[in-house]
Amino acid sequence: GAVVSQHPSRVICKSGTSVKIECRSLDFQATTMFWYRQFPKQSLMLMATSNEGSKATYEQGVEKDKFLINHASLTLSTLTVTSAHPEDSSFYICSAGPAGGTGELFFGEGSRLTVL
Amino acid sequence: AQKVTQAQTEISVVEKEDVTLDCVYETRDTTYYLFWYKQPPSGELVFLIRRNSFDEQNEISGRYSWNFQKSTSSFNFTITASQVVDSAVYFCAHTPQGAGNMLTFGGGTRLMVKP
Repeated sequence: GAVVSQHPSRVICKSGTSVKIECRSLDFQATTMFWYRQFPKQSLMLMATSNEGSKATYEQGVEKDKFLINHASLTLSTLTVTSAHPEDSSFYICSAGPAGGTGELFFGEGSRLTVL
Repeated sequence: AQKVTQAQTEISVVEKEDVTLDCVYETRDTTYYLFWYKQPPSGELVFLIRRNSFDEQNEISGRYSWNFQKSTSSFNFTITASQVVDSAVYFCAHTPQGAGNMLTFGGGTRLMVKP
């Protein structure tokens, strides 16, 4: 079946540095990918919609300058947490589905970010 | 806007007991999909089921069964003869048809199955 892969699965960084997380669709093309954030013991909250070839759409309350999203190809979206701070520590997970598909959803393995 | 409510934040059962996880949703969409996902401690989301709003048939898959009641906007999930490996957080989610992968998740239910 279709697979979505995220990298890295875990990252620890110092406060003030930037971290890039990749989300790849391995065997299908995805014009749209979604980025979610999950704080400990909480639900997944949609952060932004990544659109291939155009700007991402951010949910209310999500700083676009803080969380840079680039969807340069039909199989890759990247989320960059800029100038990370401890409060950005979270589990980030992406999802994607085949272009033209109906309700088929595939999630990446997730990336756990810890900012010291 | 959609809303998904999982009223049970934590459930604890003893192995072999049956357990039902509740999910209630609110939507103005006429066509939509409902999902259940399992999230074990490792974090990845494990897909369990997708249900189209037009299909109200209940579904059974091994020890898992789902009851979709459109009249009450509920999509409950039952695990029969629970096992320790069922311990995880379970999420119910909704997406309007045509919204791609944009899911609205419920708060999740943490299920603990004790031996």
